[in-house]
Amino acid sequence: KAGVTQTPRYLIKTRGQQVTLSCSPISGHRSVSWYQQTPGQGLQFLFEYFSETQRNKGNFPGRFSGRQFSNSRSEMNVSTLELGDSALYLCASSSDARGPQHFGDGTRLSIL
Amino acid sequence: LAKTTQPISMDSYEGQEVNITCSHNNIATNDYITWYQQFPSQGPRFIIQGYKTKVTNEVASLFIPADRKSSTLSLPRVSLSDTAVYYCLVGGTGGFKTIFGAGTRLFVKA
Repeated sequence: KAGVTQTPRYLIKTRGQQVTLSCSPISGHRSVSWYQQTPGQGLQFLFEYFSETQRNKGNFPGRFSGRQFSNSRSEMNVSTLELGDSALYLCASSSDARGPQHFGDGTRLSIL
Repeated sequence: LAKTTQPISMDSYEGQEVNITCSHNNIATNDYITWYQQFPSQGPRFIIQGYKTKVTNEVASLFIPADRKSSTLSLPRVSLSDTAVYYCLVGGTGGFKTIFGAGTRLFVKA
């Protein structure tokens, strides 16, 4: 079974731009969560989608948004990029509310 | 949401058994305990999950006492490739907000 796939793996943007990251969950998994990982803050929860609906949201500004499609694939968008948005963005999928999450290898976003 | 406390770092030698303990004093009745392993520039990898007593799979064992206020991940006969950060997670499986602690940095020496 293929794992969680995130694209692109690396991305360089400048301040003020926007970016869209993509995540394909494991086949059959309906829950997709997004995380931001930085050396200073560690792994922080962004939001979780289940059956195309945002079910939970972390403490991030409205510049961070996401969506989930009917095939469970998910995208995350960050607008008006700031230097502090430089991070590894991780996507994880799970089959249900109690199943363990399976992570992709992330998208490394660098803001210049 | 249950907060977890783990040692910041641990050192071991190849071939030894390593036990990493996680404290989660305010674990809720319906919370599961999940452990992840993360290598640099990779996503966390699921190791093991349990609710109570003992769970074992091909790579690790998880010991959970009756009061469930702590858990211990046991890695038998570690190798250099087990050098990684290990995270203990309580309650936050798919469908709920997830709080990762700082993790335990395990360094395995030859």
